[in-house]
Amino acid sequence: GENVEQHPSTLSVQEGDSAVIKCTYSDSASNYFPWYKQELGKGPQLIIDIRSNVGEKKDQRIAVTLNKTAKHFSLHITETQPEDSAVYFCAASTNSGYALNFGKGTSLLVTP
Amino acid sequence: GAVVSQHPSWVICKSGTSVKIECRSLDFQATTMFWYRQFPKQSLMLMATSNEGSKATYEQGVEKDKFLINHASLTLSTLTVTSAHPEDSSFYICSARESSGRAPDTQYFGPGTRLTVL
Repeated sequence: GENVEQHPSTLSVQEGDSAVIKCTYSDSASNYFPWYKQELGKGPQLIIDIRSNVGEKKDQRIAVTLNKTAKHFSLHITETQPEDSAVYFCAASTNSGYALNFGKGTSLLVTP
Repeated sequence: GAVVSQHPSWVICKSGTSVKIECRSLDFQATTMFWYRQFPKQSLMLMATSNEGSKATYEQGVEKDKFLINHASLTLSTLTVTSAHPEDSSFYICSARESSGRAPDTQYFGPGTRLTVL
């Protein structure tokens, strides 16, 4: 089955700096790669996603890149703010059933 | 748009009792809903996939007789934890996949239900 690995597990940056979180996947049939932000005690919130026919997608301070050949995708957050502090999960799915396979999460701390 | 609700948000019950958790898609129709379980500081683990009008598909290691799933309509799925025990205490989260053709792979998550079994 699909195996999604995520690094780093924790990340601390200063406000205004950039943060990068990387994920790799094993199933070449995976074609949908969402990123979720989860705050303590809440459900995951979809922040950006990318599909396999696109290499990069940007939404204001957030961007995601996908390298299908290498089977890895990354989340980039620029000009970080304290409210960006949360746990971020990457995931991957295929058209077969659409079940998401999650990475283990990255705890991001943005210090003022 | 694409809002998913869960009820209750938290529940405390005695060991041996059953607890029902509801998951609703408020502004879209969901052919498929998914149930996840999350332990503290861990990732989400898929428990089962629920398709409207058919039996749920459970992941390996998840007891179907203990975690009863019903997906009776395109906007409602329920998870019943039967004969709950302290080890069932966890954060249960549902997600829903919009059945329209625009983005069939996108899942929207509910806010989660914190279950504590005494």
